[in-house]
Amino acid sequence: DAGITQSPRYKITETGRQVTLMCHQTWSHSYMFWYRQDLGHGLRLIYYSAAADITDKGEVPDGYVVSRSKTENFPLTLESATRSQTSVYFCASSEQRGTEAFFGQGTRLTVV
Amino acid sequence: QQQVKQSPQSLIVQKGGISIINCAYENTAFDYFPWYQQFPGKGPALLIAIRPDVSEKKEGRFTISFNKSAKQFSLHIMDSQPGDSATYFCAATYGGGGADGLTFGKGTHLIIQP
Repeated sequence: DAGITQSPRYKITETGRQVTLMCHQTWSHSYMFWYRQDLGHGLRLIYYSAAADITDKGEVPDGYVVSRSKTENFPLTLESATRSQTSVYFCASSEQRGTEAFFGQGTRLTVV
Repeated sequence: QQQVKQSPQSLIVQKGGISIINCAYENTAFDYFPWYQQFPGKGPALLIAIRPDVSEKKEGRFTISFNKSAKQFSLHIMDSQPGDSATYFCAATYGGGGADGLTFGKGTHLIIQP
């Protein structure tokens, strides 16, 4: 199916463990984004990518690592998960800068 | 520093009424202002968007009003229906240089009572 898919949908992990959230889009959009959604904070940008092998920090990048070796994939890694990283994570993509972004269904991550 | 301020946090409207959600922004470089609708367990979905060269945009029951001088924009939902009950986010971004991605307001939880 065309679109943007995230996996897993739900994940429980322990403090200190490494966890990777996957994001795949089928549109060949240049731009991809990772947001986290927390009650009272709305959606905050973690990292973004303008093209393969080009990534940059957003508003809340600490504790996260991204890579983009292929245009269609944009994984987000928590190198050593902390309880404060418990959140719902959304991946998004857009064709051009400053235009509509399409969101995935989200990954609910719980760090215990 | 919050660049997009959204109000109210929550809103209850009777079926058939008008729902109004307001946003204010600080960065005058913003040139794209979308509204997203989010249902529980789902990702945000674009509802309607506007660029600052127009003061109003209407799509069906949804209207964005834009006031460039006041740096404010609002979403009006006419004839509100129970199916409109969701969380609404305003956002802003720009196509020029600098940080990419959308800057979101904190969201409005809208409930339409039957």
